[in-house]
Amino acid sequence: EAGVTQFPSHSVIEKGQTVTLRCDPISGHDNLYWYRRVMGKEIKFLLHFVKESKQDESGMPNNRFLAERTGGTYSTLKVQPAELEDSGVYFCASSRDRGTYNEQFFGPGTRLTVL
Amino acid sequence: AQSVSQHNHHVILSEAASLELGCNYSYGGTVNLFWYVQYPGQHLQLLLKYFSGDPLVKGIKGFEAEFIKSKFSFNLRKPSVQWSDTAEYFCAVILPNTGNQFYFGTGTSLTVIP
Repeated sequence: EAGVTQFPSHSVIEKGQTVTLRCDPISGHDNLYWYRRVMGKEIKFLLHFVKESKQDESGMPNNRFLAERTGGTYSTLKVQPAELEDSGVYFCASSRDRGTYNEQFFGPGTRLTVL
Repeated sequence: AQSVSQHNHHVILSEAASLELGCNYSYGGTVNLFWYVQYPGQHLQLLLKYFSGDPLVKGIKGFEAEFIKSKFSFNLRKPSVQWSDTAEYFCAVILPNTGNQFYFGTGTSLTVIP
C-alpha cells in the first residue's frame, strides 16, 4: 500500500508569488489533514477534509490560503500571494473512518521557503 | 491557552544512556496522547499512543510512555538508546469530540553519539 505522498518536496518562491502544494492520501482514506510547522515551533493543524468536504478549517492562517479536495481524492493547498511568514514545512496526513480514532499517516512534507 | 509543552528542545546522549523526554499538556478532561518520531529524511511515524487503561504504554523500538493524569504529563522513556534513535520526537494530543486533529508540542531533537 502506497503511503501519503506530497509534491513538491521543496519549493522556493519570492514574496508575492503563488504556490500550490499537493497531497495524495492513502487510497480509501476519507480523512485528510493539513498541518504546518514554522521553523522552531510546533506542528500546527490547518484544516481537515472528510472526503471532499471541509470539516474544520479553523487552523487556516488567513484568506491567502485556499485548500481544495475535489472528488475526495488528492488535495491542494494554494498560498496566494505568499508572504515571508508562510515559510515552513507543510505536512499532510490521512486516516480512514472518523468516529473512533484511526491512525493518521503522514506524508514527507513540503518545505516552502518564501524569499 | 491550551497547549502541549515539550521542555527539552535538544538532547544529546551517548549510546546506552537512558532517555526521558518530557511532555505536558494543559487540556482539562479526557485526551488521547501520542508520541510521534521523525527520523532524518523520513515521515512522521507513530511511536505509541494512550487512550485509556494501563497508564504505562509500550511502543515500538523499545519506547514506552507513562500517563500521569495528576501531572498532565506523558513522558517518553527508553532504558538504553541507540545511535539509530537519533531523530525528532513530537508529543501530541487529540481532544474529544473533534475531528481527530492533532495538537503537537514543539518537538525534541535527540542526537545519540556512538
